[in-house]
Amino acid sequence: GAVVSQHPSWVICKSGTSVKIECRSLDFQATTMFWYRQFPKQSLMLMATSNEGSKATYEQGVEKDKFLINHASLTLSTLTVTSAHPEDSSFYICSAPGQANEQFFGPGTRLTVL
Amino acid sequence: GENVEQHPSTLSVQEGDSAVIKCTYSDSASNYFPWYKQELGKRPQLIIDIRSNVGEKKDQRIAVTLNKTAKHFSLHITETQPEDSAVYFCAASMAGTYKYIFGTGTRLKVLA
Repeated sequence: GAVVSQHPSWVICKSGTSVKIECRSLDFQATTMFWYRQFPKQSLMLMATSNEGSKATYEQGVEKDKFLINHASLTLSTLTVTSAHPEDSSFYICSAPGQANEQFFGPGTRLTVL
Repeated sequence: GENVEQHPSTLSVQEGDSAVIKCTYSDSASNYFPWYKQELGKRPQLIIDIRSNVGEKKDQRIAVTLNKTAKHFSLHITETQPEDSAVYFCAASMAGTYKYIFGTGTRLKVLA
């Protein structure tokens, strides 16, 4: 089946720094990828749709200047959390769609901001 | 936009009993409804899905039913086992958008 990877799997950073998370589709091309955020004991909240070759589409309430998304190729999308603060600590998961509307999820990245 | 409600938030059942989780959606244009199982710190795993042209789908101990008129769908797990303990999420999506809106999740505990 289709495989999506994420890197890093976990990261700890100081408040005020920026963190980049990579999402790769390993054996298929993805013109669209999705980024989700999941706080402890909560659901997956869609943050944005990453579009290859064009600007990302952000969900209501998500700051586009804080969560920078770049979809530079058909297999790679990156999410950069800029000027991270403790409230940004969360589990970030990406996904890429298959042809039949299914989603292939990455393993997630746990971000801890001190 | 789409809104998905999920109930109950927690569910405890005895091993061997059945578990039912229900979701309702708001957008009648949604036509794809997957269910995911998520263990702590892991990615969601698809366990079953249903499309709007089907009323019911079954895969061994797991079944999903869809009522388009009422805009609700349910997950049924029979003969539950301790390894079924996890958090389950429903989602709704529109064909072509690939965008998922997730329910709030149900924490299922199967007591041995």
